[in-house]
Amino acid sequence: AQTVTQSQPEMSVQEAETVTLSCTYDTSESDYYLFWYKQPPSRQMILVIRQEAYKQQNATENRFSVNFQKAAKSFSLKISDSQLGDAAMYFCAYRSFNTGNQFYFGTGTSLTVIP
Amino acid sequence: GAVVSQHPSRVICKSGTSVKIECRSLDFQATTMFWYRQFPKQSLMLMATSNEGSKATYEQGVEKDKFLINHASLTLSTLTVTSAHPEDSSFYICSARNPSRQIIADTQYFGPGTRLTVL
Repeated sequence: AQTVTQSQPEMSVQEAETVTLSCTYDTSESDYYLFWYKQPPSRQMILVIRQEAYKQQNATENRFSVNFQKAAKSFSLKISDSQLGDAAMYFCAYRSFNTGNQFYFGTGTSLTVIP
Repeated sequence: GAVVSQHPSRVICKSGTSVKIECRSLDFQATTMFWYRQFPKQSLMLMATSNEGSKATYEQGVEKDKFLINHASLTLSTLTVTSAHPEDSSFYICSARNPSRQIIADTQYFGPGTRLTVL
């Protein structure tokens, strides 16, 4: 099974500043998808951003962007202009392109936004 | 579109009783649903994959007879925790796959979760 590692259990950022959450993964596959999910205190999982491995261009969604380094198997999330509503647990996830829709989640990073 | 609901949102039961949790895809048909378990401040652990009309596929270490999964229709999957014990207390989350969006990466839609407390 693929493994996803998030080495930062907790992170904090000042409001309006930028923060980067790290994620690495281990796989022997060449085609796959990577995701960042946000889980606020409500516990509802919310998709933040996704990346197809065959695309070289890094995905962006408004204030959220990723730095996808396929060779290094690294997939970091950058949050710009941090807002109080960004405070949540962030999970990095991997999904195989060929072997179904099973997601492999990292252990999560708890992000605190300081006013 | 692509809304997934869970019922109940929280349940408290006595040790030894059984509890059923429902997962419904409200505006699409889900051929595959997934059940996850999440302990406080931890990640989601996949318990089983539920396919409509067939037996669920359980992950290693998950007891099939304890966590009964039924996916009887394209919009409903149920997880029954049988003879619940305090160690079964956890947050259970389901997700559903929308086959009409098969080629789109984010085809898993998550329910809001069910908090189970076993006394």
